[in-house]
Amino acid sequence: AQSVTQLDSHVSVSEGTPVLLRCNYSSSYSPSLFWYVQHPNKGLQLLLKYTSAATLVKGINGFEAEFKKSETSFHLTKPSAHMSDAAEYFCVVSPGSARQLTFGSGTQLTVLP
Amino acid sequence: DTGVSQNPRHKITKRGQNVTFRCDPISEHNRLYWYRQTLGQGPEFLTYFQNEAQLEKSRLLSDRFSAERPKGSFSTLEIQRTEQGDSAMYLCASSSTEVVPDGNTEAFFGQGTRLTVV
Repeated sequence: AQSVTQLDSHVSVSEGTPVLLRCNYSSSYSPSLFWYVQHPNKGLQLLLKYTSAATLVKGINGFEAEFKKSETSFHLTKPSAHMSDAAEYFCVVSPGSARQLTFGSGTQLTVLP
Repeated sequence: DTGVSQNPRHKITKRGQNVTFRCDPISEHNRLYWYRQTLGQGPEFLTYFQNEAQLEKSRLLSDRFSAERPKGSFSTLEIQRTEQGDSAMYLCASSSTEVVPDGNTEAFFGQGTRLTVV
């Protein structure tokens, strides 16, 4: 069984300040972990993925995530928020391939000017 | 190929009617998935196909829901006797089982079909 908990339903930051979106997972095996972003009226887009290689994963648009097995966490960070980062972000766990993705409930990121 | 395509983008139907949605995956992808997303929630897995075989369907929400992928290319999701609780965004995704260096594959999502049952 696998599950994902996104600890914040809403996060608000000022433009140019760091972003932290928190995610904890539960899995009975070595999981693959993903972060997806969903902009209004657009499809889900993959930001980054962890597949048991490097624990610090770099993604698109300056986002990073660090896999911490001891804490069962996969938090998403970005050093400096941009207005275009405003969107909904989903942490996702999978048993390996993309076969059955289990999504968290999402974090809505607001970027203030 | 421009990605995963879903039609229609929006569907409004009366309670009790049947609806069918279509998904065209990325052409070289052999896996196709259906998800449902309700307001304020993450997508919820429904079913998936590898080529034309439906390998997992126990997560379909009721026997009113069915999916097909007859030739291993496009897929349809049908909901019979729709209910107001079926109102949601229905998402399709596709991926390839081809082995990649990082040992994983990415699912590409379509923009979804938004169903409103009135």
